Amino acid sequence: SQTIHQWPATLVQPVGSPLSLECTVEGTSNPNLYWYRQAAGRGLQLLFYSVGIGQISSEVPQNLSASRPQDRQFILSSKKLLLSDSGFYLCAWSGEGGYTFGSGTRLTVV
Amino acid sequence: SQQGEEDPQALSIQEGENATMNCSYKTSINNLQWYRQNSGRGLVHLILIRSNEREKHSGRLRVTLDTSKKSSSLLITASRAADTASYFCATDAGGANSKLTFGKGITLSVRP
Repeated sequence: SQTIHQWPATLVQPVGSPLSLECTVEGTSNPNLYWYRQAAGRGLQLLFYSVGIGQISSEVPQNLSASRPQDRQFILSSKKLLLSDSGFYLCAWSGEGGYTFGSGTRLTVV
Repeated sequence: SQQGEEDPQALSIQEGENATMNCSYKTSINNLQWYRQNSGRGLVHLILIRSNEREKHSGRLRVTLDTSKKSSSLLITASRAADTASYFCATDAGGANSKLTFGKGITLSVRP
């Protein structure tokens, strides 16, 4: 069966520090992968999606970047975090029946 | 940008009652999906309805889709306290670059 792993679960980082969040998928090949962000009390905003290795589409201009070095690995990064980068980050992959989300990373930039 | 708009934004009902949540969207879709999120957790897929379907059931869930009105509703029958969560509708235009666009969500509170 397909599973999706996302880590860490929580992260507190100072302003200006770098960020790397990792997401891996098991049990499927060549999945479409997504990074979403959810601000407190808000809906989900699509940040990046990838249809294959090295293929990244950015939905909104921002301080973040994404990479897909392997078929089942999707990484969200920042060189210098801003306070406004705080939020709940969710990785997901899409299958025929819908999307499967990871358990999320709560990032607090202080 | 947000595609789906759910209403109401918050709903409080008594256990055993039915909960109806609505979603409207703006552009053409391939399918519409409903998700549930418990506080501080990831999203769980509930049900997917395709643009050529009008109604779908899954256990206590019933989803309708009216593409002419660009709207959908999620009905939870015989609600339970454990149904307390946020519910999101999301639309997918389909195609090779499929991606979900979410509404802001509805907070459902079921009082025991």
